[in-house]
Amino acid sequence: DTEVTQTPKHLVMGMTNKKSLKCEQHMGHRAMYWYKQKAKKPPELMFVYSYEKLSINESVPSRFSPECPNSSLLNLHLHALQPEDSALYLCASSQDENIRNAPQHFGDGTRLSIL
Amino acid sequence: AQSVTQLGSHVSVSEGALVLLRCNYSSSVPPYLFWYVQYPNQGLQLLLKYTSAATLVKGINGFEAEFKKSETSFHLTKPSAHMSDAAEYFCAVSLSGTYKYIFGTGTRLKVLA
Repeated sequence: DTEVTQTPKHLVMGMTNKKSLKCEQHMGHRAMYWYKQKAKKPPELMFVYSYEKLSINESVPSRFSPECPNSSLLNLHLHALQPEDSALYLCASSQDENIRNAPQHFGDGTRLSIL
Repeated sequence: AQSVTQLGSHVSVSEGALVLLRCNYSSSVPPYLFWYVQYPNQGLQLLLKYTSAATLVKGINGFEAEFKKSETSFHLTKPSAHMSDAAEYFCAVSLSGTYKYIFGTGTRLKVLA
């Protein structure tokens, strides 16, 4: 069982819709991450939150808007997406951003399809 | 610039045979190196990591990897493949000691009965 829970598991939306992806962890981790993974490709980092503050934004288009309401929750708000945004969106968490510490834990992802 | 190269996008082995997945990196600073596994419809799971301690790193599920600085390699091995090892494997190098990885392109492992 994964310790990082992502909902929904699947999402189909039109280009004019607004939807949100949710990620939750209860391991006391203070760093949380969003990745985008296209089919047969490695994950690409989108955002990093550290202690509930945005630490890294990898030049992601503004139609993706992250939010970290508290240390256990991470949201990704979606608006006016394009067909090329269809992908698996992975959330991850770690104790903090220091790679020497405990490992990063990944959720099983939300598979997003844009019509 | 840092980069990661995984040789062989697809590798097939027989059940019980040695698994060898290759990863070479380039880095101007001492790297942190990782191997992750991804099963279908799942996220990534850490197999093992090298963070400048022992050069032979043992991971979960019987996997291990050896950091060879002279060869700039971090190949993943397992003595005996199981059917359950069939998955996608990613090698990754870290920038500046954080989880901002550079991932390799992945190797899909197929285990033949």
